[in-house]
Amino acid sequence: DQQVKQNSPSLSVQEGRISILNCDYTNSMFDYFLWYKKYPAEGPTFLISISSIKDKNEDGRFTVFLNKSAKHLSLHIVPSQPGDSAVYFCAAKTGGGNKLTFGTGTQLKVEL
Amino acid sequence: DGGITQSPKYLFRKEGQNVTLSCEQNLNHDAMYWYRQDPGQGLRLIYYSQIVNDFQKGDIAEGYSVSREKKESFPLTVTSAQKNPTAFYLCTSSIFGEQYFGPGTRLTVT
Repeated sequence: DQQVKQNSPSLSVQEGRISILNCDYTNSMFDYFLWYKKYPAEGPTFLISISSIKDKNEDGRFTVFLNKSAKHLSLHIVPSQPGDSAVYFCAAKTGGGNKLTFGTGTQLKVEL
Repeated sequence: DGGITQSPKYLFRKEGQNVTLSCEQNLNHDAMYWYRQDPGQGLRLIYYSQIVNDFQKGDIAEGYSVSREKKESFPLTVTSAQKNPTAFYLCTSSIFGEQYFGPGTRLTVT
């Protein structure tokens, strides 16, 4: 049972345009959400997070939006750059624990 | 430099052999985790440990074993019972809900 889903396995965007990566979850107990970025043959690196008490968090070119009623979050990257080409994982957790549930990832390709 | 190290980066084994993947951290984190990544399946949790001398099975623990004798170290053994051991293995440590990943070990079993 996949509690965190990323339904788009891949996304292609032109440099300078906006990239929007989507993530849906089914567990209403999730209260903290994270996005990780992963290059091939490397470990993921943390990008941005959001608590369920917020609906938006922004960090430079990256903004995460949370819609709790729809159990949906999205990561916006603007403007997109070629170096953003990577696999993006969303992850979720409950309460004060550290255990994360990851989505299946979306491969983003930013083209020149 | 604080961080998580996994060694080796690439590992090759023959089918039927046990193999142990190393994970060390000097971040003083209590919690450590092992995931495997397969194409199209994201990151799946194998085992985790919230504190020294304690660990729990994750979603796909069959065919794996771990130990947590020291805070800094959380080795993962892939046993011959694991049916599909070829994968990219990632170790993490965690504090305040965020997980910090090591560089990963690519295990190939033939």
